[in-house]
Parts: sequence; structure tokens; C-alpha cells
Amino acid sequence: EVQLVESGGGLVQPGGSLRLSCAASGFTFSSYWMHWVRQAPGKGLVWVSRINSDGSTTNYADSVKGRFTISRDNAKNTLYLQMNSLRAEDTAVYYCARFPVPQPAYYFDYWGQGTLVTVSS
Amino acid sequence: QSALTQPASVSGSPGQSIAISCTGTTSDVGAYNYVSWYQQHPGKAPKLMIYDVNNRPSGVSNRFSGSKSGNTASLTISGLQAEDEADYYCSSYTISSTLEVFGGGTKLTVL
Repeated sequence: EVQLVESGGGLVQPGGSLRLSCAASGFTFSSYWMHWVRQAPGKGLVWVSRINSDGSTTNYADSVKGRFTISRDNAKNTLYLQMNSLRAEDTAVYYCARFPVPQPAYYFDYWGQGTLVTVSS
Repeated sequence: QSALTQPASVSGSPGQSIAISCTGTTSDVGAYNYVSWYQQHPGKAPKLMIYDVNNRPSGVSNRFSGSKSGNTASLTISGLQAEDEADYYCSSYTISSTLEVFGGGTKLTVL
């Protein structure tokens, strides 16, 4: 059974940092492109970042470029999102999600349950 | 402002059919057959319902179908049931730097 389990969310002050993790199981993690998608309270889904299967290519939404860094450890089956210089507008539930294989495939077939990040003083 | 435009809400009675539209541009919906739809119940993660415009994943009811014409995609739900009440989001691949864009979401109410 495919499982994606996020962790690392919490309350952080503006300007602070946080690292999110997404533990994957039930599939060959190293074969899949992975993404982070966020959802502010009461708002819609917004794509944040993606990383290809071997970690050599990353992309970011303009709103987080230069502040967030996506990475992965295929030996640990874990996806990460390092978030620096956090702002109030980064407050959201952060989901990890995957694109299926084989590529090209541009949809999210599995999602984690999400982890809440609150940026507030 | 979301990149794709969806109606904020739609409603229907049990047994009826409804359609949710998703309007983009020639840079996303109109350019590629990579439109997907997600269902999200309150407090839950999104669930894939339709991919590549009109394909259903295994396990998704055939009451859900998708289509596209020009820059507008649509999700149709036939034979509405109470459990269909949820938020629905469209998504599309895009040539812009964001690569993936979502609609603002549509709240479906089953009367």
C-alpha cells in the first residue's frame, strides 16, 4: 500500500525556518518525481515545488523561490522541504504528493495527509 | 488569484447530474491534454478522480467523467450522491515556470 506521511510542521515566528519531511513507503520511491503542494486555511491548492527521481532537477513556485529548498534521500525513502525566511502568507497545510510512472505523467496519484505550518508571532 | 478559473460553488439534488468547469489559457488547459481533477472532503487530503482530461483511476466510480473543449475542461458527476459533497479542484500542466497550476476550487453541495 502506498503511503506518504508528512511531519515537521508547527508554529514558527516570521523570519524563522522549518524543515518538513515526507516518509514514503509501499513503492519504489527512487523512481518517482515528488512534489510539495500547500493549502492555506480555507483556500485552494497551490503547487510549491517538485524534484525529479534522482534529485538532480528541482523547480519552485515564484512565491517560494530562493527561500525554500526541496531535496530527497532515496536511501531513506524521504522527501524534504527546507523552508527559510518564513512569512505569514506561508501559513498552510503542506502536502507531499507524487507523479506516477512512467513519465510523462502530469497528475498527482497519491497524497500524504498533510502537515500544518503556522507562521505567526 | 488562481491560474485556472472554477465556479465557487455548484449544487444539485441526489440523482441529478452536475458539471464543474475549469477555464485556463492556451498556455495550460488549451495546450495540453494534462488536465486532472481532485476531490477533497473537509480535513482530508485531495483524491485523484480524473487524469489526462478523461481517464478514471482504478476504484473511482464511473459516475465521474471529464472532457475538454478549447481552454475549458469540465468534470461531470452523474447520479449525484450525498458522499459526492466535497470541494473539487482542477489542475493542468503549464508551460509557465510554475509547471503545475490549480483552479481555485468548487464547493459541491448535494441538496
